[in-house]
Amino acid sequence: GENVEQHPSTLSVQEGDSAVIKCTYSDSASNYFPWYKQELGKGPQLIIDIRSNVGEKKDQRIAVTLNKTAKHFSLHITETQPEDSAVYFCAASETGGTSYGKLTFGQGTILTVHP
Amino acid sequence: EAQVTQNPRYLITVTGKKLTVTCSQNMNHEYMSWYRQDPGLGLRQIYYSMNVEVTDKGDVPEGYKVSRKEKRNFPLILESPSPNQTSLYFCASSTRTSGSGMYEQYFGPGTRLTVT
Repeated sequence: GENVEQHPSTLSVQEGDSAVIKCTYSDSASNYFPWYKQELGKGPQLIIDIRSNVGEKKDQRIAVTLNKTAKHFSLHITETQPEDSAVYFCAASETGGTSYGKLTFGQGTILTVHP
Repeated sequence: EAQVTQNPRYLITVTGKKLTVTCSQNMNHEYMSWYRQDPGLGLRQIYYSMNVEVTDKGDVPEGYKVSRKEKRNFPLILESPSPNQTSLYFCASSTRTSGSGMYEQYFGPGTRLTVT
């Protein structure tokens, strides 16, 4: 089955700096890579995702990059703000056919943005 | 408002006392899942359901049961809870978005379970 490794486990930055979280996956059949943000006391919420036919995707201050050959993908947050402080999870999934899109999650990264 | 609800949000129980955590979604999603979240391990899938009366094991199903008698509900049952089932539990629902074939999972707020 799929295995997703996520690094670092904790990340501390100053407000305005950039933050990068990296994930690797093992199953070459995976073709969908979402990122979830979990705020304290809440369930994870999708913030951005990327499909395997795309190398990069941006949405305002966040971006994801995907290297399918190397089987790794990354989340980039620019101009970080204190409200970006949360736990971030990467995930990988195979979609299509009879697959229902089972997600395999990474271990999570605790991001702290200091004012 | 589209949402996934879980009850209870917090539960402290003793070893061996059967319990049920309820999950309900109002989005008419066909897919539902249960996850547990433990420090350093991320979210691990316990069971999932692809539709009414269709369920299957996830990655860590031991000690858990589920049922899907109605599309909106997907309860998680611990017949004989043990301390190693102390965890944060999340229910999620999803559907295939038209055109993209992708699934966005919508998570409930979580249930923190402590088994002593």
